[in-house]
Amino acid sequence: GESVGLHLPTLSVQEGDNSIINCAYSNSASDYFIWYKQESGKGPQFIIDIRSNMDKRQGQRVTVLLNKTVKHLSLQIAATQPGDSAVYFCAERTRDNYGQNFVFGPGTRLSVLP
Amino acid sequence: ETGVTQTPRHLVMGMTNKKSLKCEQHLGHNAMYWYKQSAKKPLELMFVYNFKEQTENNSVPSRFSPECPNSSHLFLHLHTLQPEDSALYLCASSQEGGVGDTQYFGPGTRLTVL
Repeated sequence: GESVGLHLPTLSVQEGDNSIINCAYSNSASDYFIWYKQESGKGPQFIIDIRSNMDKRQGQRVTVLLNKTVKHLSLQIAATQPGDSAVYFCAERTRDNYGQNFVFGPGTRLSVLP
Repeated sequence: ETGVTQTPRHLVMGMTNKKSLKCEQHLGHNAMYWYKQSAKKPLELMFVYNFKEQTENNSVPSRFSPECPNSSHLFLHLHTLQPEDSALYLCASSQEGGVGDTQYFGPGTRLTVL
């Protein structure tokens, strides 16, 4: 039978423009969030993280925004470069009496146009 | 060089075979993780080890058996797998497995079950 893969939303941006990648998370009790970048044939690479007691955090060319009211996370990449082309996905972390659990989003494919 | 290596990079096995995946981290971390990344689902956490003790088992079938002999090495023993187990298996490590603890991923083992 035909294999049905995960349909990833795609964002295409012009080189030099800013990119905004969005993620909706599911659990209001999540206390920690991470953005990962995954290039073809490689494992995920940490980009930036944010704790639930913050609403914004900046790194080098990247900014993460957290809106707990609507359970929304976004990653902003400034001056997007060809090397930024990859799949980006978010992760939320929750804890309970049994330990911690990470739930990952399906990802967004970022394509940088020359 | 991410500091987390995985072998083999590719593995094809039959449903009656027994094989093992190996992960080694050179970062001095104390927590190690196994993840499954398939074409049909987002990244899924399978097992977590903190200081060689298993702290998470996210309802993973018993045909997957993890082993953590020391803080630097993690194995995933496979037996009587099913074709739907075909996926990319990723290993990650972090300092202590707590909040704000960045996970570093290996390149993954691409597993195909015939």
